[in-house]
Amino acid sequence: GENVEQHPSTLSVQEGDSAVIKCTYSDSASNYFPWYKQELGKRPQLIIDIRSNVGEKKDQRIAVTLNKTAKHFSLHITETQPEDSAVYFCAASYFGNEKLTFGTGTRLTIIP
Amino acid sequence: DTGVSQDPRHKITKRGQNVTFRCDPISEHNRLYWYRQTLGQGPEFLTYFQNEAQLEKSRLLSDRFSAERPKGSFSTLEIQRTEQGDSAMYLCASSSSAGGNEQFFGPGTRLTVL
Repeated sequence: GENVEQHPSTLSVQEGDSAVIKCTYSDSASNYFPWYKQELGKRPQLIIDIRSNVGEKKDQRIAVTLNKTAKHFSLHITETQPEDSAVYFCAASYFGNEKLTFGTGTRLTIIP
Repeated sequence: DTGVSQDPRHKITKRGQNVTFRCDPISEHNRLYWYRQTLGQGPEFLTYFQNEAQLEKSRLLSDRFSAERPKGSFSTLEIQRTEQGDSAMYLCASSSSAGGNEQFFGPGTRLTVL
C-alpha cells in the first residue's frame, strides 16, 4: 500500500519568512495530493491540492509543487502570518482508490 | 451549516461497552469516509462508502467495528466491546465523485475509553 513520509515534524519560522514542508510517497499510481491544515481541536481543512498532470499550483500565499519522477511534493507558504500556525498534513491517493494516506504532520509555529 | 457534521462530539465510555457515532455528509456528496486520528498522528483510513455501498475496509477495522450507510446519506460507525486502544478522534469526510477527490472533514468524535 501507499506510504507517505513528511518532513520536518516541527518547523518554526519568523513572521514574514517562508515555510516549506516536504512529503514523499511510495506508490507511483498516486495522482492526487492534497494538503490539510489542522488547528488545535479543529477539523482538518483542505487548503490546496494538486493532481499529477501539473507540476505546480498556487493560491495566494500557498503553493504546492510535485515531482512525479522523484515521487515527492512540497507545500510552500510565503509571507507567513501568525494565523498560519497549525499542524499541516500531506496526503496521497489515486483515482479508483479514493482513500487518503496521510503523512505524520508538521507542526508549524510562526514567531511574531 | 452545510458542512459535514458528526454526533456526538465527545464520548466517554467504559471498556467493554458499545458505542455508535453518526456522520452527516455534505448533502450532494455521494462518497463518505471514516478515519481515525490519534494524538500527534495523521488520520488513518478506516472505511469508505459510495452511496450505500461499502467499497473498502482497512485492516485496522477489526470485527468489533461496523459501519453502515443505509440510504446513501448519513452513516454510523459502531464499535463493540470497546478497548482502551480504541481511544481516538473518529473523523468523517465526504466528497463527490463528480468533483474529483476533494474530501471535506467533519469536526470529529473524540472517544475516550476508560
